[in-house]
Amino acid sequence: QKEVEQNSGPLSVPEGAIASLNCTYSDRGSQSFFWYRQYSGKSPELIMFIYSNGDKEDGRFTAQLNKASQYVSLLIRDSQPSDSATYLCAVILGTQGAQKLVFGQGTRLTINP
Amino acid sequence: DAGVIQSPRHEVTEMGQEVTLRCKPISGHNSLFWYRQTMMRGLELLIYFNNNVPIDDSGMPEDRFSAKMPNASFSTLKIQPSEPRDSAVYFCASRQRTDTQYFGPGTRLTVL
Repeated sequence: QKEVEQNSGPLSVPEGAIASLNCTYSDRGSQSFFWYRQYSGKSPELIMFIYSNGDKEDGRFTAQLNKASQYVSLLIRDSQPSDSATYLCAVILGTQGAQKLVFGQGTRLTINP
Repeated sequence: DAGVIQSPRHEVTEMGQEVTLRCKPISGHNSLFWYRQTMMRGLELLIYFNNNVPIDDSGMPEDRFSAKMPNASFSTLKIQPSEPRDSAVYFCASRQRTDTQYFGPGTRLTVL
């Protein structure tokens, strides 16, 4: 089982709709979770992080974490064409002083005007 | 701050040649990471350093790959000899303790 798994897509969503991206992880002890966005030909950039169970909202983005089920999701409300990108889920693995960020395969999202 | 700096941005070389990728982390960051990204395998962690010391190199594909961090402001990833299957985008990233990890622009490597 991969440490972090995502549906690679592509996921196609009409403009203005809600885009829902999902991720599961294997290490039950993981505490920190991140969503990165990567435009084609660019480097990944952090858009959200979440540490606690429940929802965390930032503008049009909401991250949801369920540690019991070992999944984390990202919702994008009022999707815009500029949201078209690959979204990478990442999880911190390891112990204090030796922690590494491991990424899922990424989900390619396309917002259709 | 200039962010994470990588050089070169693009590298085209022939099979068997030595390739050296360079990275300058953000000043004050104590962790540095090297990743490789391909369509097939996604973003893979190759090796990372804490305070210039290699902590985990389990992602380094084979002995042809080596990485060094001689000081807090410089790291290299070397491939010798290079092979066509090494073609990928190589990212360097840095982080201060458990804060946000920032990526450099990447080096696109093509081995012919």
